[in-house]
Amino acid sequence: EDKVVQSPLSLVVHEGDTVTLNCSYEVTNFRSLLWYKQEKKAPTFLFMLTSSGIEKKSGRLSSILDKKELFSILNITATQTGDSAIYLCAVVTNTGNQFYFGTGTSLTVIP
Amino acid sequence: GAGVSQSPRYKVAKRGQDVALRCDPISGHVSLFWYQQALGQGPEFLTYFQNEAQLDKSGLPSDRFFAERPEGSVSTLKIQRTQQEDSAVYLCASSLNYQGYNTFGSGTRLTVV
Repeated sequence: EDKVVQSPLSLVVHEGDTVTLNCSYEVTNFRSLLWYKQEKKAPTFLFMLTSSGIEKKSGRLSSILDKKELFSILNITATQTGDSAIYLCAVVTNTGNQFYFGTGTSLTVIP
Repeated sequence: GAGVSQSPRYKVAKRGQDVALRCDPISGHVSLFWYQQALGQGPEFLTYFQNEAQLDKSGLPSDRFFAERPEGSVSTLKIQRTQQEDSAVYLCASSLNYQGYNTFGSGTRLTVV
C-alpha cells in the first residue's frame, strides 16, 4: 500500500532555531515529491523535487530528496513566528493524478 | 481569477441534507482535484478531472459523493444525505497540466450536525 510518513508530528522551537522536517515514502511509480505549507486552510506550494541529491532553496527554506532511501527533508533556518504552520509532504505517482499526502508536521515557533 | 476559489467557506448541514460545494479553478488549468481533510490529518484524495473528464474517482468514500465538471472549468462536489463522518474541510486544487504542482483553494469547512 502506498504511503507517506512525516516526522515529527509536531515541533515547538524558539525563534532563530533551525528545524529539519522529515518525509519518507513508499509508493509505486514515484514521479515527484512536493512540500506544502498549510496555514489556516489552504496549503501553499513550497518545493517540487524529482531528482535525488539536488537541493532546492528558497530563502531560509531548503529541501532535498533521496530516491534511494526514499525520503526527503525540509530545512528551515533562523525560524520566525511566521513559519508556524503545518508542513505537508505529498508524493505524486507517474499517473499524475494520485497525490499521496502525509499527515503533516505541525511547527510552532515561539518568540 | 488569480487563485482557486471555493464556496461556501463554511457550511453547516443537518444530517441527511444534501450539500453542493463549488470550486473555481485557475483559468486554463486542465487538471482539477478534490481532497477531503479531516481534523489533524493530511488531505485525502477524492477525485480527479482532466478538463471535463473524471479520470479517477477512486477516493470517493461512498456513492453519496458525486463530482462533476461539465464544461471543464468550474467543478461541484455534491454530497447526498450527509452524515456526521462527512464533516471535514474539502479542498479543491488545480494544475496547468497533470505534471504540474497543485494550487489549492482555501477549502470549504463542512460541519454535519
